[in-house]
Amino acid sequence: DTEVTQTPKHLVMGMTNKKSLKCEQHMGHRAMYWYKQKAKKPPELMFVYSYEKLSINESVPSRFSPECPNSSLLNLHLHALQPEDSALYLCASSQDTGRQFFGPGTRLTVL
Amino acid sequence: DAKTTQPPSMDCAEGRAANLPCNHSTISGNEYVYWYRQIHSQGPQYIIHGLKNNETNEMASLIITEDRKSSTLILPHATLRDTAVYYCNPGDMRFGAGTRLTVKP
Repeated sequence: DTEVTQTPKHLVMGMTNKKSLKCEQHMGHRAMYWYKQKAKKPPELMFVYSYEKLSINESVPSRFSPECPNSSLLNLHLHALQPEDSALYLCASSQDTGRQFFGPGTRLTVL
Repeated sequence: DAKTTQPPSMDCAEGRAANLPCNHSTISGNEYVYWYRQIHSQGPQYIIHGLKNNETNEMASLIITEDRKSSTLILPHATLRDTAVYYCNPGDMRFGAGTRLTVKP
């Protein structure tokens, strides 16, 4: 299984809502990543987990809260988002710092 | 500091070779160069990677200069389905601006 899955595919939420994005991989990868991508821009790194520990936080606002419950699962908890947070959220995994495998992304719209 | 420099856009005729350059002058000695592409609104897709030697797989070839400060991705016979944004990542998980390749009939 060389797939990274992300749920949901699409999410619409209000600014007062709390929601979560989920990412899963079963390749035994020990590094997992969250990216945010706005239209016509490259993916922008948000968080990196290595061996289930947060290793990089690219100064992301606290309304985004990552969680890595186990080596296969990565969550991104969302709370009090702003309309400018609307974007495609991509998850990726890799064995150490090697080739990354990307999921299809979650398209988030904040109203 | 920009770690990579790629042309923002390129066109290629269908069936011809597409040569996509990337400058990565700050690459460290043990960092691999990874190439990915992203077709509209999908997750980035791995293409190829290399350290020092030229590499070839079923998708593309990768030419790395001897000083490792630049590389070129070659799609030998471009098809319309190769239209995408191509990213060169020199050993870093952060993406540069990429090259938007348009393959034309």
